Amino acid sequence: AQKITQTQPGMFVQEKEAVTLDCTYDTSDPSYGLFWYKQPSSGEMIFLIYQGSYDQQNATEGRYSLNFQKARKSANLVISASQLGDSAMYFCAMREVNSGNTPLVFGKGTRLSVIA
Amino acid sequence: NAGVTQTPKFQVLKTGQSMTLQCAQDMNHNSMYWYRQDPGMGLRLIYYSASEGTTDKGEVPNGYNVSRLNKREFSLRLESAAPSQTSVYFCASRLHGPGKNIQYFGAGTRLSVL
Repeated sequence: AQKITQTQPGMFVQEKEAVTLDCTYDTSDPSYGLFWYKQPSSGEMIFLIYQGSYDQQNATEGRYSLNFQKARKSANLVISASQLGDSAMYFCAMREVNSGNTPLVFGKGTRLSVIA
Repeated sequence: NAGVTQTPKFQVLKTGQSMTLQCAQDMNHNSMYWYRQDPGMGLRLIYYSASEGTTDKGEVPNGYNVSRLNKREFSLRLESAAPSQTSVYFCASRLHGPGKNIQYFGAGTRLSVL
């Protein structure tokens, strides 16, 4: 069974600083995808970044990057130059590929607060 | 660009009442999903439909039924609501297949069962 662990219930970061949100996963499927979503206080789920298990390079999307360490089964989200608008819940999620059309499984999330 | 549309946005029910949450997507996606979100629990899968005509249970299906009415629509029914079903419900959809195929979410339905 797949499993996603986010060990930081809450994080604080100073504006303009970088922050790393941790995510570890557990799967026996060699082919999988890892996703990060942002949920601001308004409640919508916003896709941020994707990493495939066979991707050679770490994914980047603007100020977001994914620190993918396959051997350690970790997929940490790095946000550079934090902004006040980055304050939100962040969810790590995974989908296995070889097991069929499996749905995304989510971690419990990390609440990030950016301080001015 | 409607994406995934959920109705209603808010609902208050009394214990034992029934209701149906509606979800429709206009992205021609094969797969659709219902999740519930509770504080400290992340998003947990209730039911999903990999394609029109098929549905499967997720992690927390008890107390719910679903109908994949057509490719666009996937509804979630609470037959006899209980206070434990107070939650925020999200519908989502994506294209079937490996790779990135982003899962898109609706805006959510906030349900309170008294």
